[in-house]
Amino acid sequence: DMKVTQMPRYLIKRMGENVLLECGQDMSHETMYWYRQDPGLGLQLIYISYDVDSNSEGDIPKGYRVSRKKREHFSLILDSAKTNQTSVYFCASSPRDRNSDYTFGSGTRLLVI
Amino acid sequence: AQSVTQPDARVTVSEGASLQLRCKYSYSATPYLFWYVQYPRQGLQLLLKYYSGDPVVQGVNSFEAEFSKSNSSFHLQKASVHWSDSAVYFCALSLSNYNVLYFGSGTKLTVEP
Repeated sequence: DMKVTQMPRYLIKRMGENVLLECGQDMSHETMYWYRQDPGLGLQLIYISYDVDSNSEGDIPKGYRVSRKKREHFSLILDSAKTNQTSVYFCASSPRDRNSDYTFGSGTRLLVI
Repeated sequence: AQSVTQPDARVTVSEGASLQLRCKYSYSATPYLFWYVQYPRQGLQLLLKYYSGDPVVQGVNSFEAEFSKSNSSFHLQKASVHWSDSAVYFCALSLSNYNVLYFGSGTKLTVEP
């Protein structure tokens, strides 16, 4: 079954704590993405990964970092979370030769208090 | 720079009525254009996409969209909506088959019985 899996689905963290959001895909897609979704703003690209250890900043990378050590797995890390990082985070993947053919995960709802 | 504008944050229609959700884009050339739908607590799912050729593209669930280069628009249409069409709809563009997607802010559609 072709899918993108995000864990956890819901997460509550205190300000200053570290946060790890995980994403996996079973399609061997080279490219993976992290977006955040906020009301009225749509989806904003945080980071893109073109393959293992080949990551690039998106439009809003400040406060985030990523890790991709295996093609099927892409992590988003928030070091010392802030309240303005409360959001819904989506992971997506796409094949290198059709980068615009995204498959999305179901999202992680993060609340930073 | 490229951008996508969805001017209507919320649209309410009656079941069985026709629907048009508006999308305007800004880009110097013809981009790749997409419509996605997001049901509650789910990720985004592709409805349809336009790369070139016939400006009217058919998508899933009887949705269609019409590309207009002169108006820089890609409006989504459906002849008769069903209550199950209630969701958030996103318009997106890509600069090529090898680029990331840029999303509009979304339109929340409510279909009333």
